[in-house]
Amino acid sequence: NAGVMQNPRHLVRRRGQEARLRCSPMKGHSHVYWYRQLPEEGLKFMVYLQKENIIDESGMPKERFSAEFPKEGPSILRIQQVVRGDSAAYFCASSPGTRETQYFGPGTRLLVL
Amino acid sequence: DQQVKQNSPSLSVQEGRISILNCDYTNSMFDYFLWYKKYPAEGPTFLISISSIKDKNEDGRFTVFLNKSAKHLSLHIVPSQPGDSAVYFCAASGMYSGGGADGLTFGKGTHLIIQP
Repeated sequence: NAGVMQNPRHLVRRRGQEARLRCSPMKGHSHVYWYRQLPEEGLKFMVYLQKENIIDESGMPKERFSAEFPKEGPSILRIQQVVRGDSAAYFCASSPGTRETQYFGPGTRLLVL
Repeated sequence: DQQVKQNSPSLSVQEGRISILNCDYTNSMFDYFLWYKKYPAEGPTFLISISSIKDKNEDGRFTVFLNKSAKHLSLHIVPSQPGDSAVYFCAASGMYSGGGADGLTFGKGTHLIIQP
């Protein structure tokens, strides 16, 4: 049973470009969560999605960031017009249901030049 | 305002001895707690969890203790092995706790170093 998959593992963007991060949950998991980790910090919750629905986006910046989890395909975290402060590791997690253990992917390390 | 605090950025323990990692929380709405282990350039790996109706949960070499009155939990690893060297994150969730009822609130981590 494959774990949570994220791609790309590393992403370099110039200021003003768009970044698209993908996450495929574990088989049988329909709940996806995105977290961001800045250097020397813990992970910070961004958004919680189920298929075709955003359940909670209270941790997501109001501008430039969006997330989706379509009926088919992976969950996408999209960052428009990236700035240097967006440089971080972005982790996706999945769980089989609400309030159940979350399992994490390997992360995407975004570097904005 | 940090709701989950791991006050020791690092901890060094001799191989074979007990490692004790501590975590404090401030939000009384948290009712589910987890420990994750993380190696550099990898995602966090789930270790063990405990719900607020319990005060202890054990899985092999790992035991988590929860003291609700003190809002404190600890992870005990015994005996400690070289492969345990990693960063350990404490995380919590709860209804109406902010960060989403299902979103986890993480501490900043403790870097555990097991010395031979």
